[in-house]
Amino acid sequence: GESVGLHLPTLSVQEGDNSIINCAYSNSASDYFIWYKQESGKGPQFIIDIRSNMDKRQGQRVTVLLNKTVKHLSLQIAATQPGDSAVYFCAENVGSSYKLIFGSGTRLLVRP
Amino acid sequence: GAVVSQHPSWVICKSGTSVKIECRSLDFQATTMFWYRQFPKQSLMLMATSNEGSKATYEQGVEKDKFLINHASLTLSTLTVTSAHPEDSSFYICSASRGTTNEKLFFGSGTQLSVL
Repeated sequence: GESVGLHLPTLSVQEGDNSIINCAYSNSASDYFIWYKQESGKGPQFIIDIRSNMDKRQGQRVTVLLNKTVKHLSLQIAATQPGDSAVYFCAENVGSSYKLIFGSGTRLLVRP
Repeated sequence: GAVVSQHPSWVICKSGTSVKIECRSLDFQATTMFWYRQFPKQSLMLMATSNEGSKATYEQGVEKDKFLINHASLTLSTLTVTSAHPEDSSFYICSASRGTTNEKLFFGSGTQLSVL
């Protein structure tokens, strides 16, 4: 959901480990969800998306899980690499408006 | 993949001046574009929805007279920050949609505005 924080929560993982980034959304009518990766000074980069008629979707090294009952979304990154270090945002969309509402974001730090 | 170009990537201006930021879809026609603002260590906040050939739709709390949006063609939307003040300093990001069902949004690389 729409959320603004004074600072971003940080997840620190060891290189090679799996990462799980969580997101809670607010609108039960949202039917499309996207995870974005944002590196410093750049625009968001699409990672993976999922529709509300699914509860899991896999991509290359990434998996998104959707739990509509508790309005929770997670992004799993397998074998996390240093290049995965960035801020990750979930975004939700309702209907066909294409208007995205971004979550507050999580900073992922990968320790070598 | 689709590319959205944003220009300039970085601008510094004096307080009271106006700054124009351009967002272009390079290889597709974008019926709808969106403008976001992002303060340091915060999330993207939607400012407005820009529709080609019609007035932009602004989110609550965003001053339409201060943030002028023009979407005169299917490949270009502009955001003009009028009478900029230091509190307008932020990272501005645009995104574009082809307008087809289930289409992904494509984001520009952002514009860092610093108002002195």
